[in-house]
Amino acid sequence: NAGVMQNPRHLVRRRGQEARLRCSPMKGHSHVYWYRQLPEEGLKFMVYLQKENIIDESGMPKERFSAEFPKEGPSILRIQQVVRGDSAAYFCASSPRDRLNQPQHFGDGTRLSIL
Amino acid sequence: DAKTTQPNSMESNEEEPVHLPCNHSTISGTDYIHWYRQLPSQGPEYVIHGLTSNVNNRMASLAIAEDRKSSTLILHRATLRDAAVYYCILRAQGGSEKLVFGKGTKLTVNP
Repeated sequence: NAGVMQNPRHLVRRRGQEARLRCSPMKGHSHVYWYRQLPEEGLKFMVYLQKENIIDESGMPKERFSAEFPKEGPSILRIQQVVRGDSAAYFCASSPRDRLNQPQHFGDGTRLSIL
Repeated sequence: DAKTTQPNSMESNEEEPVHLPCNHSTISGTDYIHWYRQLPSQGPEYVIHGLTSNVNNRMASLAIAEDRKSSTLILHRATLRDAAVYYCILRAQGGSEKLVFGKGTKLTVNP
């Protein structure tokens, strides 16, 4: 089975541009989570989605950030009008269903650099 | 989500066992104890989880104290590939599915 696929692996944007990060969950997984890791800091939860629904977005910045997980296709994390502080590694994880003892499977991340 | 406490760093020699401790004195009765690790430049990787009983899998063993206020991740024979940051995480029943990562323990394995 292919693991969680994230692309691109590296993304460079200039301040004010838009960044789109994609995540394809493992086959059969319908739950997707996004996390952000700022330089020299720990991983922070951003958002939890199921197909076509946002379940928990308590970690999402209030402005410029949005996420979706459509019925068909990958989950997208979108950052509008990027700023230098958005430079970080963004990780996506997936799990098969909404049960506590299901581990989350992570991709290798997208490293976003803002010039 | 309940809080965990881990040493910032630990060191081991290759092919020796490693015991990584985690304190979670405020754990509730239905919290599962999960361990993940993150190798350099990679995403986190699930290692093991448990509720009350000790658990074994191909990667590691998890020893849970009788009062559940602490646990220990055991790598039976450390390899250079085990050098990573190890995170001990509690997942609360009825709460969000999110994982709350602390600072973890950075494990260095010496050849």
